[in-house]
Amino acid sequence: AQSVSQHNHHVILSEAASLELGCNYSYGGTVNLFWYVQYPGQHLQLLLKYFSGDPLVKGIKGFEAEFIKSKFSFNLRKPSVQWSDTAEYFCAVLSGNTGKLIFGQGTTLQVKP
Amino acid sequence: NAGVTQTPKFQVLKTGQSMTLQCAQDMNHEYMSWYRQDPGMGLRLIHYSVGAGITDQGEVPNGYNVSRSTTEDFPLRLLSAAPSQTSVYFCASSYSSLAEGTDTQYFGPGTRLTVL
Repeated sequence: AQSVSQHNHHVILSEAASLELGCNYSYGGTVNLFWYVQYPGQHLQLLLKYFSGDPLVKGIKGFEAEFIKSKFSFNLRKPSVQWSDTAEYFCAVLSGNTGKLIFGQGTTLQVKP
Repeated sequence: NAGVTQTPKFQVLKTGQSMTLQCAQDMNHEYMSWYRQDPGMGLRLIHYSVGAGITDQGEVPNGYNVSRSTTEDFPLRLLSAAPSQTSVYFCASSYSSLAEGTDTQYFGPGTRLTVL
C-alpha cells in the first residue's frame, strides 16, 4: 500500500527565513503528488500538485516543490516565509484512480514575526 | 456555489450514541470522501464514493457507515460512538478521480466531534 511520510512534525522559523518541508512516498510507479495547507481554523486548501512534466512545480503564495523520483521525495520550499504562512502542511499521494488521497502526518509551521 | 458544506461544526456525544455527519456539495462532483484528522496522524480516509449508489471503504472504516443516494449528499453515520472516534472529520469532493491532473479535491470546513 502507498504511504507518505513527513519528517518534520513541528518547524519554527523567523520571518524571511527559507523553508523546506520534507515529504517521501513509498510507491515506485507513476505518482501524483499534492501539498495542502490548513490555516488555523480553516479547511484544507491545495498549494500545488505534480502529475507529470517539469519536476519543479510552482504553487500559490510563492511555494514550490520538487519531485525527485530517485529519492521518492516531493519536498516543499519557500525562499522567504511570512508570519501568515503559519499553518499545518500536508503532503499527499493519489491512490489509484478513485479520487483517494493518502496523506502524510502533517507538519506544523510556526513563523515568528 | 457554496462548495462543500458540512454540518454540524461541533458535536459532543456520549459513548454509545449514534449520529450522522452531513456533507453536501453543489458542484456536481462524482467523487466524495470522508477523512478524519487526528494529531500526528494526518488525514486518514474513512469511506469514499465514486458516484451515486457506489461506496467503498478507506483506511479506517470500522464504526462508520456511509450511503450515497444522490450526487450531492454523502452522510457519514457513527453507529455507536466511542471515545476513539473523537476527531475532526472532513468531507471532500472532486469532479473526477484526479488522475488526469486537471482537477482538484475540495474540502469542507470540518466537523469537530468529541465522544465522552
